[in-house]
Amino acid sequence: GQNIDQPTEMTATEGAIVQINCTYQTSGFNGLFWYQQHAGEAPTFLSYNVLDGLEEKGRFSSFLSRSKGYSYLLLKELQMKDSASYLCAVSFITDSWGKLQFGAGTQVVVTP
Amino acid sequence: GAVVSQHPSRVICKSGTSVKIECRSLDFQATTMFWYRQFPKKSLMLMATSNEGSKATYEQGVEKDKFLINHASLTLSTLTVTSAHPEDSSFYICSARDSSGRFLAGNEQFFGPGTRLTVL
Repeated sequence: GQNIDQPTEMTATEGAIVQINCTYQTSGFNGLFWYQQHAGEAPTFLSYNVLDGLEEKGRFSSFLSRSKGYSYLLLKELQMKDSASYLCAVSFITDSWGKLQFGAGTQVVVTP
Repeated sequence: GAVVSQHPSRVICKSGTSVKIECRSLDFQATTMFWYRQFPKKSLMLMATSNEGSKATYEQGVEKDKFLINHASLTLSTLTVTSAHPEDSSFYICSARDSSGRFLAGNEQFFGPGTRLTVL
């Protein structure tokens, strides 16, 4: 299997920045996804990294270092609606197709 | 584009009955679909990979005779929970990959809204 670790919970105030780290150990690495999930809903896509470096998308940025097995998701200018679980998911190739392995998720709580 | 629907969104059934959940890709063809299960405050766990026209591949520890998967067309996969028990109560989510490879070279999965199953 694949080992994916991310913190359980993080708290930050509105307008602040929060960085969620994700470390992984995997074979057949084929990219890393970040998803946002509100309680009782399906995950929604935030970002995808397959090469090393930073990908920026508005208030959200994601970084990947393949050699270190490390990624982070950066959330800037936090808003109350950003309170959710953030899932790190590694895509890996097995047999003839890719699969996703999810981390346990980081619950971000945004306070006023 | 790339919308996935699931039906039903919520189902309550008695112990011992079977429940069928449908997953449809609405505006794309999906050779491969995935079924996940999520318990409260836990992450998504892959149950099986569903391939159109062939048998599903189940993850270790998932009983294939209990969770029957049928992927009869390029837009529909079904998961049937047979002889459901209270411990099967969970949030079931499907996802689909666009066969054309339009999105992230076919690497992106599009998730359905999920089905909340409660077994009494």
